[in-house]
Amino acid sequence: AQKVTQAQTEISVVEKEDVTLDCVYETRDTTYYLFWYKQPPSGELVFLIRRNSFDEQNEISGRYSWNFQKSTSSFNFTITASQVVDSAVYFCALSGTGAGSYQLTFGKGTKLSVIP
Amino acid sequence: DVKVTQSSRYLVKRTGEKVFLECVQDMDHENMFWYRQDPGLGLRLIYFSYDVKMKEKGDIPEGYSVSREKKERFSLILESASTNQTSMYLCASSPTAYQPQHFGDGTRLSIL
Repeated sequence: AQKVTQAQTEISVVEKEDVTLDCVYETRDTTYYLFWYKQPPSGELVFLIRRNSFDEQNEISGRYSWNFQKSTSSFNFTITASQVVDSAVYFCALSGTGAGSYQLTFGKGTKLSVIP
Repeated sequence: DVKVTQSSRYLVKRTGEKVFLECVQDMDHENMFWYRQDPGLGLRLIYFSYDVKMKEKGDIPEGYSVSREKKERFSLILESASTNQTSMYLCASSPTAYQPQHFGDGTRLSIL
């Protein structure tokens, strides 16, 4: 069975602070994919990144960066110099490549509030 | 850009009614999905479809059915709505397995 744990339910930061959202996953598949999605107050989930299990390079996109560590089964997301527009619920998700590979297993989400 | 369109943003129905939620995608994606989202529970998969007329149960299919008669359209049906089906319903599509899913805006359904 697959599982994604986002231990932080809610985080509040002051604008311009850096913030890291944690994601820990469990899977028996040797090949798998990890995702992050953003859900702003408007409700639509927006895809941010996909990472496969063979690519452990960290990725940076503007103020966003992702740290994938297979040894600790973690795929953490850092926002640098946070802005009010970053306020949203962020979901980490996992897709295996075995049975049920069409499915995404989502964590329960972390609600980020950026205070001006 | 991929567009996934859900027919209603807000919907109010009564207990016992048959409810249809419609979803249309415009990118010729093979796979379509229905989730419900509840506070503290995240997103849970109800049903998905990997081809026309094909469907698979997700984690919480009880009380729901689906229909996919055309590739671009995936309908979620509440056979006899109950108050515990009050929720946010999200439709998604993806081109193949392992690819990112693209989501609609969601339908906030209230069953009275």
